[in-house]
Amino acid sequence: DAGITQSPRHKVTETGTPVTLRCHQTENHRYMYWYRQDPGHGLRLIHYSYGVKDTDKGEVSDGYSVSRSKTEDFLLTLESATSSQTSVYFCAIKQQGNSYEQYFGPGTRLTVT
Amino acid sequence: QQPVQSPQAVILREGEDAVINCSSSKALYSVHWYRQKHGEAPIFLMILLKGGEQKGHDKISASFNEKKQQSSLYLTASQLSYSGTYFCGTEGGGSNYKLTFGKGTLLTVNP
Repeated sequence: DAGITQSPRHKVTETGTPVTLRCHQTENHRYMYWYRQDPGHGLRLIHYSYGVKDTDKGEVSDGYSVSRSKTEDFLLTLESATSSQTSVYFCAIKQQGNSYEQYFGPGTRLTVT
Repeated sequence: QQPVQSPQAVILREGEDAVINCSSSKALYSVHWYRQKHGEAPIFLMILLKGGEQKGHDKISASFNEKKQQSSLYLTASQLSYSGTYFCGTEGGGSNYKLTFGKGTLLTVNP
C-alpha cells in the first residue's frame, strides 16, 4: 500500500458532461500517472506529472486534461465525456529516490451513457 | 510501442510451471512485472534493470535479456493464488519513468 486513494470509486455519467477524477497520495511522491484499462488493450498512459504544476501527455491523452496544484493531488478531467471514455482508470505513483517501482491506486470505474 | 506478451493465456494445474515472455522493439532500461486479479488493481511483483541481476522471490523469478529487449517471468510449482493476469511494463530510460504495458497474459491455475 503506497498510500494512494482514488475518488470516486464508481461513477456513471452522461455523454457531454464534464467529469473529474481525483488521485490522492499521502507519502509525498513526486511522480504520478493516470492510466486507463480496457479489455484487449492492457494499461495505457493518459497523462503524468513529475512535480507540482509539471505535467505531460501520455499515449492516449486526447479528450483528457490534468492538473496538479499540490503534491498530494493529481486530478484527471474529461471535459466532455464520450462513451469511448468508459473505462477503468488507475492512478499510480513512482516510489521515491532511486527506486523505480510504481504502485497503483484501487481504480475508478467510469461509465459514460 | 506496446511490448508483446506471450502466451496470451495459459492454464495450469497446481504445482506446474509456467513462463511468460515480454518482448519489445525498443531499447529498454527496465522491465516491470505486475499481477492483477479480476476487479482489483495491478500489484507490483518485481523490476529488472539494465545491467542488474536476475530477480526472484519465493517461486517467482524473472530474467532480462538487454540485447534482445526481452524479459521472461518464471512461475514454478504454481499455486492457486498465482491465478490472474500478468502484465509487463517497459521503460526506455530518461522518460520520466513512463511505462508502456503489454496486453497481459491470463494465467489460470486449477486444483
